[in-house]
Amino acid sequence: KQEVTQIPAALSVPEGENLVLNCSFTDSAIYNLQWFRQDPGKGLTSLLLIQSSQREQTSGRLNASLDKSSGRSTLYIAASQPGDSATYLCAVCSMDTGRRALTFGSGTRLQVQP
Amino acid sequence: DAGVIQSPRHEVTEMGQEVTLRCKPISGHNSLFWYRQTMMRGLELLIYFNNNVPIDDSGMPEDRFSAKMPNASFSTLKIQPSEPRDSAVYFCASSRGSRGNEQFFGPGTRLTVL
Repeated sequence: KQEVTQIPAALSVPEGENLVLNCSFTDSAIYNLQWFRQDPGKGLTSLLLIQSSQREQTSGRLNASLDKSSGRSTLYIAASQPGDSATYLCAVCSMDTGRRALTFGSGTRLQVQP
Repeated sequence: DAGVIQSPRHEVTEMGQEVTLRCKPISGHNSLFWYRQTMMRGLELLIYFNNNVPIDDSGMPEDRFSAKMPNASFSTLKIQPSEPRDSAVYFCASSRGSRGNEQFFGPGTRLTVL
Protein backbone atom coordinates (compact mmCIF):
# COMPACT_ATOMS: atom_id res chain seq x y z
CA LYS A 1 0.00 0.00 0.00
CA GLN A 2 1.37 3.38 -1.04
CA GLU A 3 2.35 5.74 1.78
CA VAL A 4 3.28 9.39 1.29
CA THR A 5 5.23 11.39 3.84
CA GLN A 6 5.89 15.12 3.87
CA ILE A 7 8.61 16.85 5.83
CA PRO A 8 8.56 19.25 7.54
CA ALA A 9 5.00 19.35 8.86
CA ALA A 10 5.29 23.10 9.35
CA LEU A 11 7.69 25.77 8.21
CA SER A 12 8.01 29.48 8.93
CA VAL A 13 10.36 31.64 6.86
CA PRO A 14 10.94 35.35 6.32
CA GLU A 15 9.79 36.90 3.08
CA GLY A 16 12.25 36.57 0.20
CA GLU A 17 13.79 33.31 1.32
CA ASN A 18 14.06 30.34 -1.03
CA LEU A 19 12.68 27.13 0.44
CA VAL A 20 12.29 23.42 -0.24
CA LEU A 21 9.42 21.16 0.72
CA ASN A 22 9.99 17.42 0.75
CA CYS A 23 7.80 14.50 -0.19
CA SER A 24 8.62 10.79 -0.10
CA PHE A 25 6.62 7.77 -1.20
CA THR A 26 7.09 4.06 -0.57
CA ASP A 27 6.06 2.51 -3.90
CA SER A 28 7.91 3.81 -6.95
CA ALA A 29 5.36 2.33 -9.37
CA ILE A 30 3.54 5.56 -10.04
CA TYR A 31 1.91 7.30 -12.99
CA ASN A 32 2.54 10.79 -11.71
CA LEU A 33 3.02 13.05 -8.71
CA GLN A 34 1.01 16.18 -8.13
CA TRP A 35 1.65 19.15 -5.83
CA PHE A 36 -1.32 21.08 -4.49
CA ARG A 37 -1.85 24.20 -2.45
CA GLN A 38 -4.66 24.46 0.09
CA ASP A 39 -5.62 27.71 1.79
CA PRO A 40 -7.46 27.54 5.14
CA GLY A 41 -11.07 26.50 4.67
CA LYS A 42 -10.63 26.25 0.91
CA GLY A 43 -10.27 23.56 -1.73
CA LEU A 44 -7.13 22.27 -3.41
CA THR A 45 -5.40 24.16 -6.18
CA SER A 46 -3.17 22.11 -8.46
CA LEU A 47 0.32 23.61 -8.73
CA LEU A 48 2.40 21.15 -10.71
CA LEU A 49 2.01 17.68 -12.19
CA ILE A 50 5.09 15.56 -12.90
CA GLN A 51 4.63 12.44 -15.00
CA SER A 52 6.66 9.37 -13.99
CA SER A 53 8.89 9.80 -17.05
CA GLN A 54 9.76 13.40 -16.15
CA ARG A 55 12.41 14.71 -13.80
CA GLU A 56 11.03 18.17 -13.09
CA GLN A 57 8.37 20.74 -13.84
CA THR A 58 8.47 24.50 -13.45
CA SER A 59 5.76 27.11 -13.10
CA GLY A 60 6.80 30.65 -12.28
CA ARG A 61 8.63 30.66 -8.95
CA LEU A 62 7.83 26.99 -8.37
CA ASN A 63 9.97 24.05 -9.40
CA ALA A 64 9.12 20.45 -8.61
CA SER A 65 11.52 17.56 -9.05
CA LEU A 66 10.91 13.83 -9.09
CA ASP A 67 13.32 10.99 -8.37
CA LYS A 68 11.09 7.98 -8.85
CA SER A 69 13.72 5.36 -8.06
CA SER A 70 14.37 6.80 -4.62
CA GLY A 71 10.73 7.69 -4.00
CA ARG A 72 11.30 11.41 -3.51
CA SER A 73 10.01 14.71 -4.76
CA THR A 74 10.82 18.26 -3.80
CA LEU A 75 8.94 21.50 -4.30
CA TYR A 76 11.23 24.51 -4.52
CA ILE A 77 9.72 27.95 -3.97
CA ALA A 78 11.93 30.86 -4.97
CA ALA A 79 11.77 34.30 -3.38
CA SER A 80 8.90 33.42 -1.07
CA GLN A 81 6.09 35.93 -0.48
CA PRO A 82 3.46 36.25 2.27
CA GLY A 83 0.88 35.19 -0.31
CA ASP A 84 2.60 31.81 -0.51
CA SER A 85 1.41 31.03 3.02
CA ALA A 86 -0.75 27.90 2.78
CA THR A 87 -0.60 24.15 3.23
CA TYR A 88 1.21 22.32 0.45
CA LEU A 89 0.14 18.77 -0.31
CA CYS A 90 1.98 16.14 -2.28
CA ALA A 91 -0.03 13.33 -3.90
CA VAL A 92 0.94 10.31 -6.00
CA CYS A 93 -1.12 8.36 -8.52
CA SER A 94 -0.04 4.75 -8.08
CA MET A 95 -0.14 1.86 -10.49
CA ASP A 96 -1.93 -0.41 -8.00
CA THR A 97 -4.38 -2.54 -9.86
CA GLY A 98 -7.71 -0.76 -10.19
CA ARG A 99 -6.65 2.35 -8.37
CA ARG A 100 -6.25 5.60 -10.25
CA ALA A 101 -6.85 7.86 -7.32
CA LEU A 102 -4.33 9.96 -5.47
CA THR A 103 -2.63 9.07 -2.21
CA PHE A 104 -1.92 12.22 -0.25
CA GLY A 105 0.71 13.22 2.23
CA SER A 106 -0.31 15.05 5.38
CA GLY A 107 0.99 18.34 4.05
CA THR A 108 3.48 21.05 4.97
CA ARG A 109 1.98 24.17 6.52
CA LEU A 110 4.02 27.12 5.27
CA GLN A 111 3.99 30.59 6.77
CA VAL A 112 5.95 33.37 5.10
CA GLN A 113 6.55 36.28 7.44
CA PRO A 114 6.44 39.79 5.92
CA ASP B 1 -14.57 26.70 -17.64
CA ALA B 2 -16.44 26.73 -14.33
CA GLY B 3 -14.30 24.06 -12.74
CA VAL B 4 -15.67 21.30 -10.54
CA ILE B 5 -18.88 22.41 -8.85
CA GLN B 6 -20.01 21.06 -5.50
CA SER B 7 -23.13 21.71 -3.48
CA PRO B 8 -23.92 22.51 -0.82
CA ARG B 9 -20.78 24.27 0.39
CA HIS B 10 -21.78 23.80 4.00
CA GLU B 11 -24.18 21.32 5.56
CA VAL B 12 -25.16 21.05 9.21
CA THR B 13 -27.44 18.18 10.13
CA GLU B 14 -28.42 16.08 13.07
CA MET B 15 -27.35 12.53 13.69
CA GLY B 16 -29.55 10.03 11.91
CA GLN B 17 -30.51 12.35 9.06
CA GLU B 18 -29.82 11.61 5.43
CA VAL B 19 -27.22 13.79 3.72
CA THR B 20 -26.72 14.14 -0.02
CA LEU B 21 -23.69 15.83 -1.50
CA ARG B 22 -23.58 16.80 -5.16
CA CYS B 23 -20.87 17.22 -7.73
CA LYS B 24 -20.67 18.41 -11.31
CA PRO B 25 -17.33 17.52 -12.93
CA ILE B 26 -15.55 19.59 -15.53
CA SER B 27 -17.13 19.09 -18.94
CA GLY B 28 -15.25 16.48 -20.95
CA HIS B 29 -13.69 14.82 -17.92
CA ASN B 30 -14.62 11.14 -17.68
CA SER B 31 -13.08 10.28 -14.31
CA LEU B 32 -14.62 11.44 -11.05
CA PHE B 33 -13.33 11.00 -7.53
CA TRP B 34 -14.83 11.56 -4.08
CA TYR B 35 -12.36 12.30 -1.28
CA ARG B 36 -12.83 13.04 2.42
CA GLN B 37 -10.55 15.26 4.50
CA THR B 38 -10.33 15.10 8.28
CA MET B 39 -7.77 16.36 10.75
CA MET B 40 -7.00 12.84 11.93
CA ARG B 41 -6.73 11.03 8.61
CA GLY B 42 -5.98 13.75 6.07
CA LEU B 43 -7.29 13.32 2.52
CA GLU B 44 -8.58 9.88 1.61
CA LEU B 45 -10.26 8.46 -1.47
CA LEU B 46 -13.80 7.25 -0.96
CA ILE B 47 -14.79 6.16 -4.47
CA TYR B 48 -13.69 6.58 -8.07
CA PHE B 49 -15.83 6.50 -11.25
CA ASN B 50 -14.63 6.09 -14.81
CA ASN B 51 -17.13 6.71 -17.61
CA ASN B 52 -19.91 6.81 -14.99
CA VAL B 53 -19.04 3.34 -13.69
CA PRO B 54 -17.77 2.85 -10.12
CA ILE B 55 -14.29 1.35 -10.43
CA ASP B 56 -12.96 1.45 -6.89
CA ASP B 57 -15.13 1.92 -3.81
CA SER B 58 -12.71 0.37 -1.34
CA GLY B 59 -12.49 3.67 0.53
CA MET B 60 -16.20 3.87 1.30
CA PRO B 61 -16.21 3.47 5.08
CA GLU B 62 -19.52 1.69 5.64
CA ASP B 63 -22.78 0.69 4.04
CA ARG B 64 -24.17 3.99 5.25
CA PHE B 65 -22.24 5.61 2.40
CA SER B 66 -23.34 5.27 -1.21
CA ALA B 67 -22.41 7.10 -4.41
CA LYS B 68 -23.96 7.30 -7.83
CA MET B 69 -23.10 8.80 -11.18
CA PRO B 70 -26.22 8.67 -13.35
CA ASN B 71 -24.59 10.63 -16.17
CA ALA B 72 -21.32 12.23 -17.17
CA SER B 73 -22.17 15.58 -15.60
CA PHE B 74 -23.52 14.65 -12.18
CA SER B 75 -22.62 12.57 -9.15
CA THR B 76 -24.00 12.24 -5.64
CA LEU B 77 -22.57 10.98 -2.38
CA LYS B 78 -25.19 9.97 0.15
CA ILE B 79 -24.83 9.22 3.84
CA GLN B 80 -27.78 7.53 5.50
CA PRO B 81 -28.00 7.63 8.46
CA SER B 82 -25.37 10.25 9.26
CA GLU B 83 -23.24 10.09 12.40
CA PRO B 84 -21.07 12.73 14.15
CA ARG B 85 -17.89 10.94 13.02
CA ASP B 86 -18.88 11.63 9.41
CA SER B 87 -18.13 15.31 10.01
CA ALA B 88 -15.44 16.26 7.51
CA VAL B 89 -14.84 18.14 4.29
CA TYR B 90 -15.87 16.13 1.25
CA PHE B 91 -14.12 16.92 -2.03
CA CYS B 92 -15.06 15.93 -5.53
CA ALA B 93 -12.36 15.88 -8.24
CA SER B 94 -12.35 15.11 -11.93
CA SER B 95 -9.81 14.34 -14.62
CA ARG B 96 -9.70 13.64 -18.32
CA GLY B 97 -8.95 9.96 -18.82
CA SER B 98 -7.99 7.73 -15.93
CA ARG B 99 -4.26 7.32 -15.79
CA GLY B 100 -1.65 9.90 -15.26
CA ASN B 101 -3.85 12.91 -15.76
CA GLU B 102 -4.12 15.97 -13.60
CA GLN B 103 -6.98 15.98 -11.12
CA PHE B 104 -8.95 19.15 -10.51
CA PHE B 105 -10.73 19.60 -7.21
CA GLY B 106 -13.97 21.28 -6.31
CA PRO B 107 -14.26 23.69 -3.36
CA GLY B 108 -15.54 20.96 -1.06
CA THR B 109 -18.58 20.49 1.16
CA ARG B 110 -18.02 21.02 4.86
CA LEU B 111 -20.32 18.58 6.66
CA THR B 112 -21.10 18.87 10.35
CA VAL B 113 -23.21 16.17 11.96
CA LEU B 114 -24.43 17.13 15.43
